[in-house]
Amino acid sequence: DQQVKQNSPSLSVQEGRISILNCDYTNSMFDYFLWYKKYPAEGPTFLISISSIKDKNEDGRFTVFLNKSAKHLSLHIVPSQPGDSAVYFCAVTGTASKLTFGTGTRLQVTL
Amino acid sequence: DTEVTQTPKHLVMGMTNKKSLKCEQHMGHRAMYWYKQKAKKPPELMFVYSYEKLSINESVPSRFSPECPNSSLLNLHLHALQPEDSALYLCASSLDPSSGNTIYFGEGSWLTVV
Repeated sequence: DQQVKQNSPSLSVQEGRISILNCDYTNSMFDYFLWYKKYPAEGPTFLISISSIKDKNEDGRFTVFLNKSAKHLSLHIVPSQPGDSAVYFCAVTGTASKLTFGTGTRLQVTL
Repeated sequence: DTEVTQTPKHLVMGMTNKKSLKCEQHMGHRAMYWYKQKAKKPPELMFVYSYEKLSINESVPSRFSPECPNSSLLNLHLHALQPEDSALYLCASSLDPSSGNTIYFGEGSWLTVV
């Protein structure tokens, strides 16, 4: 039973355009949401997070939106750059210190 | 500084060998984690240490034995592994184990069991 899903396994975006990555979760007890970027054979790199008391958090080119009623979060990257090409994981935590990852979306930013 | 250091980066071991993976952080974090990642899958939690005590074991086989010698170090002792245990092993840490703290990952140790 996958509690965190990223329904798009891959996404291709042109350089300079907006990349939108989506994530859905099932458990309303999750209260902290994170996005990680990952290259093959490397550890995940933390990008941005949001707590359940907010609906938007922005850091430079990265913005995370949280819709608690829909149990949905998204990551916007504007403008997209070729160096953004990687696999992006959303991740959630609840009352325990257990980070549950989504299934991942491979982003390809083309020239 | 959000650095978690893992050694070795690559390890090849036979099914009868005993080896260890090591992890170190100097951020004063009191929660440390081991995750396992297979190809094309998300990382999966194995163990959580909270204030140097094992707080979560996600039903991991006993051939994996974690150890937390002090607040900065985390080891994963490996013995009698199977080829299907080959994976990327990720160490991570956070300020404390409560929700709302960012978890920072190391670069990982790539393990191959032959």
